[in-house]
Amino acid sequence: GQQVMQIPQYQHVQEGEDFTTYCNSSTTLSNIQWYKQRPGGHPVFLIQLVKSGEVKKQKRLTFQFGEAKKNSSLHITATQTTDVGTYFCAGPSEYGNKLVFGAGTILRVKS
Amino acid sequence: ETGVTQTPRHLVMGMTNKKSLKCEQHLGHNAMYWYKQSAKKPLELMFVYNFKEQTENNSVPSRFSPECPNSSHLFLHLHTLQPEDSALYLCASSPGTNSYEQYFGPGTRLTVT
Repeated sequence: GQQVMQIPQYQHVQEGEDFTTYCNSSTTLSNIQWYKQRPGGHPVFLIQLVKSGEVKKQKRLTFQFGEAKKNSSLHITATQTTDVGTYFCAGPSEYGNKLVFGAGTILRVKS
Repeated sequence: ETGVTQTPRHLVMGMTNKKSLKCEQHLGHNAMYWYKQSAKKPLELMFVYNFKEQTENNSVPSRFSPECPNSSHLFLHLHTLQPEDSALYLCASSPGTNSYEQYFGPGTRLTVT
């Protein structure tokens, strides 16, 4: 069945370092979404990418959708302690009635 | 963020108890979802409702019984649960299914003893 995979599973960085998480789908996606879940919190929608090769920025966060619309990345420049949490990507199922979430990348930032 | 509310926030129940989780969305959305999130496991979709109709049951055991009386309310009825059912249960809503972003509630932390 359709799978959405994320790497790495876990990353621990020094404050100020950059961070990147990658998302790969087994099928072509009509769009890809990114969510952030703070420790003890719930997932919060960050952004949606729709176009092939699309790049969007939110302050220090840069999101990219691959040309083949099967992969995506989230890059954080100069991480801060407020960036701590789990970052999930998600794409629509091939049957069109739900989102398929990746397992998430846990980011820890050491100050 | 009060668009999606869930009650109770914490619940401890024995294996023979019956309890219900409640979710309410104030966003005018048409789709609602139940997810299970266990420690060290990815989000597991349990049920999807679109315009009050159940469109997905992700092979969930019958001890979990959803109810969606209208597009704004979603319940999860629990009975004879097992300790491995202890998890964070998240409700979410979206304008429609598939391509739309989902808005999550704060979750109910369930412990089965």
